[in-house]
Order: sequence, then structure tokens, then C-alpha cells
Amino acid sequence: EAQVTQNPRYLITVTGKKLTVTCSQNMNHEYMSWYRQDPGLGLRQIYYSMNVEVTDKGDVPEGYKVSRKEKRNFPLILESPSPNQTSLYFCASSLSMRNTGELFFGEGSRLTVL
Amino acid sequence: GENVEQHPSTLSVQEGDSAVIKCTYSDSASNYFPWYKQELGKGPQLIIDIRSNVGEKKDQRIAVTLNKTAKHFSLHITETQPEDSAVYFCAASVGGTSYGKLTFGQGTILTVHP
Repeated sequence: EAQVTQNPRYLITVTGKKLTVTCSQNMNHEYMSWYRQDPGLGLRQIYYSMNVEVTDKGDVPEGYKVSRKEKRNFPLILESPSPNQTSLYFCASSLSMRNTGELFFGEGSRLTVL
Repeated sequence: GENVEQHPSTLSVQEGDSAVIKCTYSDSASNYFPWYKQELGKGPQLIIDIRSNVGEKKDQRIAVTLNKTAKHFSLHITETQPEDSAVYFCAASVGGTSYGKLTFGQGTILTVHP
């Protein structure tokens, strides 16, 4: 089944404790992206990647890191989480954004930072 | 950068009525406008999209219109059904070198009452 898989789905952590949210897609998509969803603010793009070893900042990259060493994986790293990073996170992928195309989203990872 | 404003934030209709959600965008270079539907506990899913060389697009009960001059686009759902209840997001994307960035609106919670 074609899908985008995120882990963990739910996580409660404490300020400053490094964490990684993994994202994997099995559709051989070039493009991958991370979004955070907050009430009243919609979906805001954190980072995106056009292809392996190519990443770029979205609209809210502060406090996050990403890497794209393999085509299928695009982990989101919070080196020192803070309470304002409490949010619902979505990973998404697309065959290619060159002509823009459908984004396939994972089911989300709800993160709480105490 | 691109800014997308979406209205209304909540919309309540009776089954069988029509629903209209409107979005405005700021960057006149934007050329791709998708709409996503997010059901409870799920990631968003593409329901319809339109490109800047088209004024209107229909898919069964769903239609999207685009007014490039006024920089706004709208989602129209006719003969609404309870299963249309969800959060709807509009988005805008600029082509060229910025085609990796997809900016979303704030979302509209649509409730269809039986």
C-alpha cells in the first residue's frame, strides 16, 4: 500500500531533550516536506526537500533540522525542544513538485513539550 | 513571501445546502491552487486543484474558481452531505525556483447537519 509513515504518532517530552520524528514513504517520491499544524494558523511549512541531499527552509524552520540521505526517509530533528514546538506535525511527499502535484500526507505526529 | 488568507474559519450548513470557502493570496506569481480535506485524526488529502491558466474546474459536487486579477479562489461544494464534514485547506504555490514552497490557508471547519 502506498503510504507516508510517521513515528511516533504521539510523544510527550521535556524541554531540551533531543528527539527525532521519522518519516518514510514507499512511493519513490522525489519531494518531501514537513508541516506543523496549529489552531487558527493552518499548516505551516518547516522544511522541504526536492531530492536526496537537497533541503531548504520553509516558513518556520527555527528550532528544527532535517536530513535527506535516502530518497525514502526525511527525519525531523528537534535538537532542544521547547514548549512552543508543541504541535501536530505532518510529513508529506510528492512525486515531483517541478510541475506541482498532489501531496500525500502521513497521519500526523502529536508532540507535547513540557 | 506568499500569504494565503482563508474565510470563513467555521461554516455550518444543512445537508443538501451549498458551501463556499474563499481564499485570497498575495503573490501574483502563484500559479497552482490546491484544496485539501482533512478528516478527524487523519492527514489532509487533495480533493481538487486548479492552475492559473484555468478559471474554473469541476469534479462532481466540488468546483473551484480562480480570479487571478483579484487574486482569490474559492471552493464550492453542492448538495452537501454529512461526510463532507471536515477541515478544508486552500493553498497556493509559486512556480519557477520557488516551486517547493506550498503555502496553506488557516483552514475552515465545515459541519454539515443531517
